Amino acid sequence: AQSVTQLGSHVSVSEGALVLLRCNYSSSVPPYLFWYVQYPNQGLQLLLKYTSAATLVKGINGFEAEFKKSETSFHLTKPSAHMSDAAEYFCAVSVPGGKLIFGQGTELSVKP
Amino acid sequence: ETGVTQTPRHLVMGMTNKKSLKCEQHLGHNAMYWYKQSAKKPLELMFVYNFKEQTENNSVPSRFSPECPNSSHLFLHLHTLQPEDSALYLCASSQDGQGEDTQYFGPGTRLTVL
Repeated sequence: AQSVTQLGSHVSVSEGALVLLRCNYSSSVPPYLFWYVQYPNQGLQLLLKYTSAATLVKGINGFEAEFKKSETSFHLTKPSAHMSDAAEYFCAVSVPGGKLIFGQGTELSVKP
Repeated sequence: ETGVTQTPRHLVMGMTNKKSLKCEQHLGHNAMYWYKQSAKKPLELMFVYNFKEQTENNSVPSRFSPECPNSSHLFLHLHTLQPEDSALYLCASSQDGQGEDTQYFGPGTRLTVL
């Protein structure tokens, strides 16, 4: 069965520092993987997705993620954090039928 | 209106009330979803509709009753809810319900059950 684990429910970085949010997945079939962001009082917005093309996926707002099959990982990174990046981030894997299985989420705080 | 809209944005109801949540998508998609987002828990898929047909019911209690009259509208009818049903209810849509399709989410309805 497919599943997603996000390591760290809360990550805090300084403005300008590297952002690294970790996601590991389990899937019995080649996965489709997604990162979504949720700002307070809003729905989820797609940051990027992996659909078996390039293993390094670039998304919006300067985020990118690398699919590593050998490590079953899909970590999200951004070279330099902005205050506006403070939000909750969700990793998800798609299962047959198009359903999404989400991780528990990582809340990102950005300190001035 | 663009994207996925949800009404109302906030709802407070007693356990004996009946209310409905509405979702509308303006993206021409054929699949629609209801999710429940509770504090400290992952998003839980509740229902999936594909071309107006329900294709998934994730063991949701019968006090939640979905309705999909067409591919653009999705409702969640609520009756005799429990306080533990208080949560953010998110609607989403995707092109055809395929694995690689992006799901687009509405802003959610914050439900409080007293």
